[in-house]
Amino acid sequence: GAVVSQHPSRVICKSGTSVKIECRSLDFQATTMFWYRQFPKKSLMLMATSNEGSKATYEQGVEKDKFLINHASLTLSTLTVTSAHPEDSSFYICSAMPAGTGRLVEQFFGPGTRLTVL
Amino acid sequence: AQSVSQHNHHVILSEAASLELGCNYSYGGTVNLFWYVQYPGQHLQLLLKYFSGDPLVKGIKGFEAEFIKSKFSFNLRKPSVQWSDTAEYFCAVSSDMRFGAGTRLTVKP
Repeated sequence: GAVVSQHPSRVICKSGTSVKIECRSLDFQATTMFWYRQFPKKSLMLMATSNEGSKATYEQGVEKDKFLINHASLTLSTLTVTSAHPEDSSFYICSAMPAGTGRLVEQFFGPGTRLTVL
Repeated sequence: AQSVSQHNHHVILSEAASLELGCNYSYGGTVNLFWYVQYPGQHLQLLLKYFSGDPLVKGIKGFEAEFIKSKFSFNLRKPSVQWSDTAEYFCAVSSDMRFGAGTRLTVKP
């Protein structure tokens, strides 16, 4: 149980285009999902917290107009990288926290999406 | 703001050696602590977690960690590592998951 999927696993796009990444909790409902960015040989950087039915909360320094997050259902959150540039190339990881629990439980991570902007 | 420090960036051990990876955090209140592992090409998996109670926590694959409140530490240990333990290890604090920079462990056969 507690499986999180991401789609696509890998995407290559041209500079200036937009890319949408999906994060799904397959066997549980998640009121809260998190989006991270992982740089090579570095740790995960929390980008934003996505709450079902409300606006995402972005971390300091993360452009909310560039990284659009939508959490329309209890099993799906999407991250759209708008007008992507080469510096947006990275590994994006989502995680989901099961609904009906407090903030004390673990999160379940997706496998990540490798974005390459040419 | 909470922060997490992992002092060892890359640790290289031989099989059967003992392991201890350091994790220190800066936060004065109640914390929840996690260790995650990322095997090559795989996604993050939970090794163990501490919420309350016994400060010595046992996780999967023979790993354990000790929460020492006075030292703001949550070090990960394993008495005897295996080649299959080669991975990246991340310490994380609290429910909004502030991650440490990670420690790469390489176990030589």
